[in-house]
Amino acid sequence: NAGVTQTPKFQVLKTGQSMTLQCAQDMNHEYMSWYRQDPGMGLRLIHYSVGAGITDQGEVPNGYNVSRSTTEDFPLRLLSAAPSQTSVYFCASSELQGKSPLHFGNGTRLTVT
Amino acid sequence: GESVGLHLPTLSVQEGDNSIINCAYSNSASDYFIWYKQESGKGPQFIIDIRSNMDKRQGQRVTVLLNKTVKHLSLQIAATQPGDSAVYFCAENKGGSQGNLIFGKGTKLSVKP
Repeated sequence: NAGVTQTPKFQVLKTGQSMTLQCAQDMNHEYMSWYRQDPGMGLRLIHYSVGAGITDQGEVPNGYNVSRSTTEDFPLRLLSAAPSQTSVYFCASSELQGKSPLHFGNGTRLTVT
Repeated sequence: GESVGLHLPTLSVQEGDNSIINCAYSNSASDYFIWYKQESGKGPQFIIDIRSNMDKRQGQRVTVLLNKTVKHLSLQIAATQPGDSAVYFCAENKGGSQGNLIFGKGTKLSVKP
């Protein structure tokens, strides 16, 4: 099993550009989530999904969209990138929401200039 | 370079000593707690979890203690090794059994050989 796979590993965007961060898991987990990690801020929840076709907002959802058309994939979209979105983004999945360990990908380091 | 460790509380221990990393949680309704280890450039890695019906849980060289009275969680690492050097995060399922995992800001553990 590959676990949680994130692509790309690194990305540089100009302000106003759009992009999609990809996330895929092969563990048949129903729950998936996106976090961002900034220095001194820990991991903050952006969006999450409890199953295909269901998504909801986390702590810091503004500027990001998600969709969950399959159990395996949970892409994160930045429609118009801003410098404040410079961060490291982690996708994670688990069997159950809030009751089992999250499995994390290795992250995407995004810089917006 | 790795920026995750900036501005974090730091614990420095001698190789072979025991380490104790502390975490205060905020919500008395939280019933699932978890510790993660994050090495430079990688995603968080699950260490150990505990449910609120337990006070203590042991793994290989690690013990988690839960004190619900004062809403405190600790991670003890026995015979700390250089490979234990990392940032450690605690998380709670804020809001109870259907809550998402919300992370603390982390503690950087530095092991001196």
